Amino acid sequence: DTEVTQTPKHLVMGMTNKKSLKCEQHMGHRAMYWYKQKAKKPPELMFVYSYEKLSINESVPSRFSPECPNSSLLNLHLHALQPEDSALYLCASSQDGDRGAYGYTFGSGTRLTVV
Amino acid sequence: GNSVTQMEGPVTLSEEAFLTINCTYTATGYPSLFWYVQYPGEGLQLLLKATKADDKGSNKGFEATYRKETTSFHLEKGSVQVSDSAVYFCALRGSNFGNEKLTFGTGTRLTIIP
Repeated sequence: DTEVTQTPKHLVMGMTNKKSLKCEQHMGHRAMYWYKQKAKKPPELMFVYSYEKLSINESVPSRFSPECPNSSLLNLHLHALQPEDSALYLCASSQDGDRGAYGYTFGSGTRLTVV
Repeated sequence: GNSVTQMEGPVTLSEEAFLTINCTYTATGYPSLFWYVQYPGEGLQLLLKATKADDKGSNKGFEATYRKETTSFHLEKGSVQVSDSAVYFCALRGSNFGNEKLTFGTGTRLTIIP
């Protein structure tokens, strides 16, 4: 298995809703990442988990809450989002923790629309 | 900090044309360099990589050579196809502790016309 699987592929939520994005990989990668990508822009790093511990939070608002229940799973809990949070949310994983010469393997993303 | 500069797009070429997308970087130490491709509505796919100076990464007819003297990693393909239409991102990972995040360029949108 050489994939990162993200669910759901599309999500529409209201500003008062609570929802979660899920990410799963079975490659034995010990680092996992959440990125946000707006249209026609490169991905922006949000969070990094290394060996199931949060190692980087790029000053993301608290309405985004990451969780890493085990080495294969990564969740992003969403609450009270704003319309400007609408974007493609990408999950990625990498070998060798969060250091080293390896590239990241990306999932296909969740297209989030906040109404 | 690390940074990546890509040529501005969009780039439009005819099928079978030669492609070059320029990429230069700024980093301390010995970063690893990558090209990612993003097809419409999809996530990013690793296209090729190089981890040390003078390495050539190649995949699907695309090539890029890690040039430390010019801090460049230009993407080339000898004959593009319509199916190559996508956004291409140059990226690097630093080698120093605390500097290992993947840093992206702004992306170059490529359109190939039949």
